Amino acid sequence: QQQVKQSPQSLIVQKGGISIINCAYENTAFDYFPWYQQFPGKGPALLIAIRPDVSEKKEGRFTISFNKSAKQFSLHIMDSQPGDSATYFCAPKPNSNYQLIWGAGTKLIIKP
Amino acid sequence: DADVTQTPRNRITKTGKRIMLECSQTKGHDRMYWYRQDPGLGLRLIYYSFDVKDINKGEISDGYSVSRQAQAKFSLSLESAIPNQTALYFCATSVTGVGVGELFFGEGSRLTVL
Repeated sequence: QQQVKQSPQSLIVQKGGISIINCAYENTAFDYFPWYQQFPGKGPALLIAIRPDVSEKKEGRFTISFNKSAKQFSLHIMDSQPGDSATYFCAPKPNSNYQLIWGAGTKLIIKP
Repeated sequence: DADVTQTPRNRITKTGKRIMLECSQTKGHDRMYWYRQDPGLGLRLIYYSFDVKDINKGEISDGYSVSRQAQAKFSLSLESAIPNQTALYFCATSVTGVGVGELFFGEGSRLTVL
C-alpha cells in the first residue's frame, strides 16, 4: 500500500496571507495529483489537479507545485480568505491502480 | 436538488443491526463509489462500481456489501453493524473515461453504532 503523508495537520493563516499544504508520497508511479476541498457538512469537491508532466498549475488564487524528484506536491493559496477555511485533502492516484490514495487532511482556518 | 443524494443523512443504531445507506445520482455517471471518512485517516474506499454489472472491492470491504440496483442507484449495507463502523460515509460518482477523473461526492451519511 502506497503511503501519502500530508502536512500540516492543521494551519491557521491571517487573511491575505499565503497558505501552504504539502503532500509527500513514497511511490513514484503516480499519474494524477488532485487536491480536494471539504467544507463542514459537505462532501469533498475537486479544487485543482495536476499531471506529472507539468511542474506547476495555477487556477486563480490556487496553485499546485509538483516536485517529482522530492516526491512531493504542494497546494498554495494566495491572498487567503475566510471563505477558504476548510479541510484540504491530497489524493494522488497510482498509475497501477484505480484507487485514489487520500492524505489525512489539513484543517485550514483563515483568521479575519 | 443535489446531484448525488445520500439517505439517511444521520443514523444511530445498535450493534448487530443491519443498516443500509442509499445513494442516488442524477449526473448520468456510470461509475459510483462508497467511501468511509474517519478523523485523521482521510477517505478510504469501500466498494466501487463501473456499471450495473460491475462491482469491485476497495481497500476496506470487510463487513460491508453493496448493490447497484440501477445506473443511478448504489447502496451500501452493513449486515451486522459494529461500533468501529461508526464513521461518516460518502457516495461519489465519476464519468467513464481514462483514469479516475473528478469525483463528485454526496453530502455524507453519518452513522453511529452503539
